[in-house]
Amino acid sequence: TQLLEQSPQFLSIQEGENLTVYCNSSSVFSSLQWYRQEPGEGPVLLVTVVTGGEVKKLKRLTFQFGDARKDSSLHITAAQPGDTGLYLCAGVSWSNDYKLSFGAGTTVTVRA
Amino acid sequence: GAGVSQSPSNKVTEKGKDVELRCDPISGHTALYWYRQSLGQGLEFLIYFQGNSAPDKSGLPSDRFSAERTGGSVSTLTIQRTQQEDSAVYLCASSPRLGTASNSPLHFGNGTRLTVT
Repeated sequence: TQLLEQSPQFLSIQEGENLTVYCNSSSVFSSLQWYRQEPGEGPVLLVTVVTGGEVKKLKRLTFQFGDARKDSSLHITAAQPGDTGLYLCAGVSWSNDYKLSFGAGTTVTVRA
Repeated sequence: GAGVSQSPSNKVTEKGKDVELRCDPISGHTALYWYRQSLGQGLEFLIYFQGNSAPDKSGLPSDRFSAERTGGSVSTLTIQRTQQEDSAVYLCASSPRLGTASNSPLHFGNGTRLTVT
């Protein structure tokens, strides 16, 4: 059973379109991280959100942490083929902040 | 290279054989983590090291799994009597110090893809 549920599991869009990936849990986290993973490589950290209600923007990517610290979303504006990859969210618990709990990921494909 | 290095990148083994997976962390990183990524599932925590000690081994799936770290650097994950359900990508990560807050992010290697036939 995944502690963090990600949706959708797969997403295929045309270049220039927008997309949103969701990460939900019944657990409260001290912070939440988003990673992108490309085939044959390890995950690469994109962002850490630490405050309930926080919104962080990195160029065309917008990350939001829910007020209750149980959910998060990743929004990509005007997606490009280079955004293609597996997007993973990971929660950091209050008690064991060295142990990340990962969602199963959302595979995003951006068609040129 | 400056990143986390894992070897081998791919390993195919027969059921019942032992395998050893190696991780060379970023120089100076004191914390080292092992995760397992199975198809269609998220990363699963296995074990972490602070220096050479492993305070939390709770994620190791069974007593067939063990890990050690020597000299505060290289780590090996050993799986004895491999089973087909052990097939997965084994990822190693290191960080400057313990903790996953934004001030001590994890740097992952490219993993070892283990296939047990």
